[in-house]
Amino acid sequence: SQQGEEDPQALSIQEGENATMNCSYKTSINNLQWYRQNSGRGLVHLILIRSNEREKHSGRLRVTLDTSKKSSSLLITASRAADTASYFCATVPSGNTGKLIFGQGTTLQVKP
Amino acid sequence: KAGVTQTPRYLIKTRGQQVTLSCSPISGHRSVSWYQQTPGQGLQFLFEYFSETQRNKGNFPGRFSGRQFSNSRSEMNVSTLELGDSALYLCASSPGTVAEQYFGPGTRLTVT
Repeated sequence: SQQGEEDPQALSIQEGENATMNCSYKTSINNLQWYRQNSGRGLVHLILIRSNEREKHSGRLRVTLDTSKKSSSLLITASRAADTASYFCATVPSGNTGKLIFGQGTTLQVKP
Repeated sequence: KAGVTQTPRYLIKTRGQQVTLSCSPISGHRSVSWYQQTPGQGLQFLFEYFSETQRNKGNFPGRFSGRQFSNSRSEMNVSTLELGDSALYLCASSPGTVAEQYFGPGTRLTVT
C-alpha cells in the first residue's frame, strides 16, 4: 500500500506564484525524496532530504521535513509554465534499501 | 553518461500471454528497481536488484519476476497476463542503496 499521502491532489496557479505541496507518511524513514513526472513519462529526481535534516534548498525548490509529524513540504517559488507536471514524494523506509514508497502525487498546473 | 533506457517503449499483448521488459541502467549503477504505475494504484514498487540478487520485493503475485545480469542490465517478466496488468512499467537505477533513483522513460504495456 502507498505510504505517502499528498495534499492537495491538484493545484492550479498563475506563473510567478509560489506552489506548495505537502506529503505525509506513516513509518520511520531513511530519507524522503521528491520527483516530477511530465505527462506519464519517466520520473525526474528533484531533491533528497535525509531524516536528520529539516530543510533543504535546490534552486527554486525548498523542501522541509518534520519527522515528528511524519510530514514534508515542497515549495516551488516563482513558478513557470514549464513547472506544469505531477509531483510525487517518495520515502525510503528505515532498513529497507532500494525501495521507494510513493505518494499519490500532486498535479500542478501553472498558467502562463 | 547515458540515461536509463527501457525497451520496448510500447507493447500490446493479449490476456494469457507473457511479456519481457528490458532495462539498461546508467553505467556504474548496480541497483535496479522496477515500478508499476496505474491510474488507480499509482506508483507501486515491484522489486529491486543489486549485483544480480533480488534484494527487495513488493507485494505482487508470482507472475511478476525479474532478474539482473552481470552487466547490471535487468529484465522483468510477467506471465499469464491479465487486463489489470496494463500499466506504465518504470525502471530506475541508483548509485547507492538509499540514494536518489534515476528513471527510464518507461514501457507502456496494454493488455487486451
